[in-house]
Amino acid sequence: GENVEQHPSTLSVQEGDSAVIKCTYSDSASNYFPWYKQELGKRPQLIIDIRSNVGEKKDQRIAVTLNKTAKHFSLHITETQPEDSAVYFCAAFRGGTYKYIFGTGTRLKVLA
Amino acid sequence: ETGVTQTPRHLVMGMTNKKSLKCEQHLGHNAMYWYKQSAKKPLELMFVYNFKEQTENNSVPSRFSPECPNSSHLFLHLHTLQPEDSALYLCASSQEVTQFSGNTIYFGEGSWLTVV
Repeated sequence: GENVEQHPSTLSVQEGDSAVIKCTYSDSASNYFPWYKQELGKRPQLIIDIRSNVGEKKDQRIAVTLNKTAKHFSLHITETQPEDSAVYFCAAFRGGTYKYIFGTGTRLKVLA
Repeated sequence: ETGVTQTPRHLVMGMTNKKSLKCEQHLGHNAMYWYKQSAKKPLELMFVYNFKEQTENNSVPSRFSPECPNSSHLFLHLHTLQPEDSALYLCASSQEVTQFSGNTIYFGEGSWLTVV
């Protein structure tokens, strides 16, 4: 069935270090992979996304990589800052449907 | 940001009550969604409407009843809920999807529901 596994569930890093969150999906027809950031008490907000025809995408300190063969994609945050502390969700989307399957989330803590 | 607005933000209801959650989007989108967010669980898709037509019902119990009168408004009618239905209910919207690609979904702030 459709499933997205996300690891780790919690991640603590020192300010300035890098953070990596990994997701694995099961539906080979998935073709769009967004990442959302949710701060405490706030809505999830898109921070970066990648489509299946691209292997890597970068936006300042944030990057996403996609390995279609292995069916996994990762979020990379460099030079982390305290304001990066939040819960991050990955999702996989199958074209032609309206189903975004979300991962279970990663709580990132950036220690000052 | 007022792209997707939800009311009420907080709701406490008894198991015999009837209440409704409201969502409005100002982004010109044609697809709207209800998601349920519970602690330590992934976001669960409940319903999807595309051009006012329901395209997904993810095996949601009938005590949750959605209504989409137009592409900008979405309601979730609640009736005889259970305590385990307590959660954050998130509304979202997006452009219509195609066979080949997805579109970004934009979430509202959510409605915190507590069933007592």
